[in-house]
Amino acid sequence: AQKVTQAQTEISVVEKEDVTLDCVYETRDTTYYLFWYKQPPSGELVFLIRRNSFDEQNEISGRYSWNFQKSTSSFNFTITASQVVDSAVYFCALSEDNAGNMLTFGGGTRLMVKP
Amino acid sequence: DAGVTQSPTHLIKTRGQHVTLRCSPISGHKSVSWYQQVLGQGPQFIFQYYEKEERGRGNFPDRFSARQFPNYSSELNVNALLLGDSALYLCASSRTGDSNQPQHFGDGTRLSIL
Repeated sequence: AQKVTQAQTEISVVEKEDVTLDCVYETRDTTYYLFWYKQPPSGELVFLIRRNSFDEQNEISGRYSWNFQKSTSSFNFTITASQVVDSAVYFCALSEDNAGNMLTFGGGTRLMVKP
Repeated sequence: DAGVTQSPTHLIKTRGQHVTLRCSPISGHKSVSWYQQVLGQGPQFIFQYYEKEERGRGNFPDRFSARQFPNYSSELNVNALLLGDSALYLCASSRTGDSNQPQHFGDGTRLSIL
């Protein structure tokens, strides 16, 4: 069975601080896909990134970066120079297919960025 | 193009009643998935339908059922509602069953059971 754990339930930072959201996963599949989603107060899930199990390259997109380490089954997400608009709940998720069907989600991390 | 649309946005029911939630996928998307998100938790997978056939089912009781129509829209039905069914129900669509494009989520239906 697949499992995703986000140990940090809530993080509070001051604007411009860097923050890292942790994600640890468990799966018996050799091919799998990892995702991060953002959920603002309005409720919709906004796709941020997808990574397949064969690509351990770190990725940077603007202020966002992701560190995938297969050896520790972790897929951590860092926001550099956080902004108030980054305040949301962030979910890490795992799927067997690259479209992200039948996702297994973690419990989420609520990020509060204070001005 | 319109995104994934769900109706209604909010719904209040009482225990024992039945509810039907609706989802229209993005145009051209043939796969629809349903998730339940209880307050303070991550979404949990309920069903996936592709080309009108069930492709996957999560760990939910038989009170939960779904179907997909020829136009690829979908309904989620829940019978004999319990207080624990109160949640945000999210629908997601993708182009094909295992498309290279990630699935897109709707804004959800917030269901409250009294």
